[in-house]
Amino acid sequence: DTEVTQTPKHLVMGMTNKKSLKCEQHMGHRAMYWYKQKAKKPPELMFVYSYEKLSINESVPSRFSPECPNSSLLNLHLHALQPEDSALYLCASSQDLGTTGEQYFGPGTRLTVT
Amino acid sequence: GESVGLHLPTLSVQEGDNSIINCAYSNSASDYFIWYKQESGKGPQFIIDIRSNMDKRQGQRVTVLLNKTVKHLSLQIAATQPGDSAVYFCAENKAAGNKLTFGGGTRVLVKP
Repeated sequence: DTEVTQTPKHLVMGMTNKKSLKCEQHMGHRAMYWYKQKAKKPPELMFVYSYEKLSINESVPSRFSPECPNSSLLNLHLHALQPEDSALYLCASSQDLGTTGEQYFGPGTRLTVT
Repeated sequence: GESVGLHLPTLSVQEGDNSIINCAYSNSASDYFIWYKQESGKGPQFIIDIRSNMDKRQGQRVTVLLNKTVKHLSLQIAATQPGDSAVYFCAENKAAGNKLTFGGGTRVLVKP
């Protein structure tokens, strides 16, 4: 199984809502990532988790709160988002944080903030 | 700042022809480069990678060339097929933390 799954596929939320994005992998990978991708732009790294601990936060606003409950799951909690946060949110995983670790991406959650 | 970028935003190619996608990078300390393919509605899919101590690597119908002298990376797709239509991103992987920095992307359109 080389699949990274993400739920939901689409999400529409108001600026006062609280929602969560979920990501799951069963490849035994110990590194997991959140990326943000705006339309017609490349993915931009947000967070990196290694062995369930936050390793990198790319200066992401606190309205985005990641969580790694176990080695297979990665969540992104959303609160008080702005319309400019509308984007495709991609989750990825890799075996570890080695420099040549291929990252496997999920299909993403398309988020619209109204 | 350090960046990975692409020369051509859109490439139209006839089915059966070869495609070449180019990418320039500026971080000479990068030691690993990757090409990803992203189809509409999907996440990026790994195509091929190359380490900085190599100048060429071949896969199935794809070849990646790395010219460190001019900091240039290219992806060649042989006998381009309709299923190759997608956006292609080059990315560099920095030494620490498996951080990927993506280039701007090139859309490849395959004409029948």
